[in-house]
Amino acid sequence: SYVLTQPPSVSVAPGQTARITCGGNNIGSKSVHWYQQKPGQAPVLVVYDDNDRPSGIPERFSGSNSGNTATLTISRVEAGDEADYYCQVWESSTDHVVFGGGTKLTVL
Amino acid sequence: EVQLVESGGGLVQPGGSLRLSCVASGSTFSDYWMTWIRQAPGKGLEGVANIDQGGTEKDYVDSVKGRFTISRDNAQNSLFLQMNSLRVEDTAVYYCARRPGSLFDFWGQGTLVTVSS
Repeated sequence: SYVLTQPPSVSVAPGQTARITCGGNNIGSKSVHWYQQKPGQAPVLVVYDDNDRPSGIPERFSGSNSGNTATLTISRVEAGDEADYYCQVWESSTDHVVFGGGTKLTVL
Repeated sequence: EVQLVESGGGLVQPGGSLRLSCVASGSTFSDYWMTWIRQAPGKGLEGVANIDQGGTEKDYVDSVKGRFTISRDNAQNSLFLQMNSLRVEDTAVYYCARRPGSLFDFWGQGTLVTVSS
């Protein structure tokens, strides 16, 4: 089965740029979606189709996807960005969703 | 605004059953695939079951096949998950989510299922 690998944690100071990676075999050929989950809340879609943002998501959130790595970039990080972030693809060979293990973003 | 509201979670003994419900509002429910996604305590996200717009095409993660059944009632804007033969490892928050294409654009607030003796 297809596996997505994320670092367990990323730390960044306020105002700096956070980059959260999502590794997968030839992930560049797939559409990658990213979700933000704050404690006790449901996940929220923040980036879809590699680098599109849903309505209401700040421009500080962006994504890229190439080769074996997709990346969620959060510019000018704020305290309110502290959350778990999950990448997700749809695995067409099994017709199942695949989530990465999640990355805890800590704002120092 | 799209809203999804789950209900039906609770404490159940191993081997027991529960039926989860999800009521949708704010969009045309019958236009979308729907999915149940779960999250065990302190763990990541796992897709459990999917159902197509008409309720005819369904699929499940291997760990719940033969035990869980997904269904929907488009007239009532409702999604269901019948869970039988529950195991301790089924303990999780269960979310319903709307699935346009390969992503999940709206999620409910979740309902907690605890399987314990």
